Amino acid sequence: GAGVSQSPSNKVTEKGKDVELRCDPISGHTALYWYRQSLGQGLEFLIYFQGNSAPDKSGLPSDRFSAERTGGSVSTLTIQRTQQEDSAVYLCASSAPGTGYKTQYFGPGTRLLVL
Amino acid sequence: AQKVTQAQTEISVVEKEDVTLDCVYETRDTTYYLFWYKQPPSGELVFLIRRNSFDEQNEISGRYSWNFQKSTSSFNFTITASQVVDSAVYFCALSVNAGKSTFGDGTTLTVKP
Repeated sequence: GAGVSQSPSNKVTEKGKDVELRCDPISGHTALYWYRQSLGQGLEFLIYFQGNSAPDKSGLPSDRFSAERTGGSVSTLTIQRTQQEDSAVYLCASSAPGTGYKTQYFGPGTRLLVL
Repeated sequence: AQKVTQAQTEISVVEKEDVTLDCVYETRDTTYYLFWYKQPPSGELVFLIRRNSFDEQNEISGRYSWNFQKSTSSFNFTITASQVVDSAVYFCALSVNAGKSTFGDGTTLTVKP
């Protein structure tokens, strides 16, 4: 598969637990983005990685949220001490130098439900 | 700061009707990029088009066309002869650099047979 992949597809957790969401970008895409889509709403930017540069974390809603990108490829979004308002679809996207990083290609998302 | 407004929350049309989805944006940057994405019921966002701020030429791709007008800060999307398969949520987005995109809240289009 040549697209962005995310795992798990669905995650149900209890309030207060930590969760990790994984994103595998398209091969060769050096830019990676995380967004959150709450029910019936648009996408909310969370964090952006570009190569070895410091990530743009300006969209992270609280210090319970963090993300890493290891080896310039796979990324993990971690939510600590989950709250019910964290329930949403978490979308990952990647983009390539060939498009000037302008076009983002999205994965299928991880649907997180916090009980 | 950037802002994208899609004033139409929901639109319902009958198959073969033409439909226009509105998008109005705000930015102080002179270089920016505008996008449309389709999110079908399956949930995965599908890229439709990207325009840069220096290219106001309208674009047509099959039944889809886009009208970019800097004078009104609008980037509207028209589907001609709509089909049931066009039913989806459509998002307009704005990016001023290679980083984050700002999305509108989306327009849910329902095409009835």
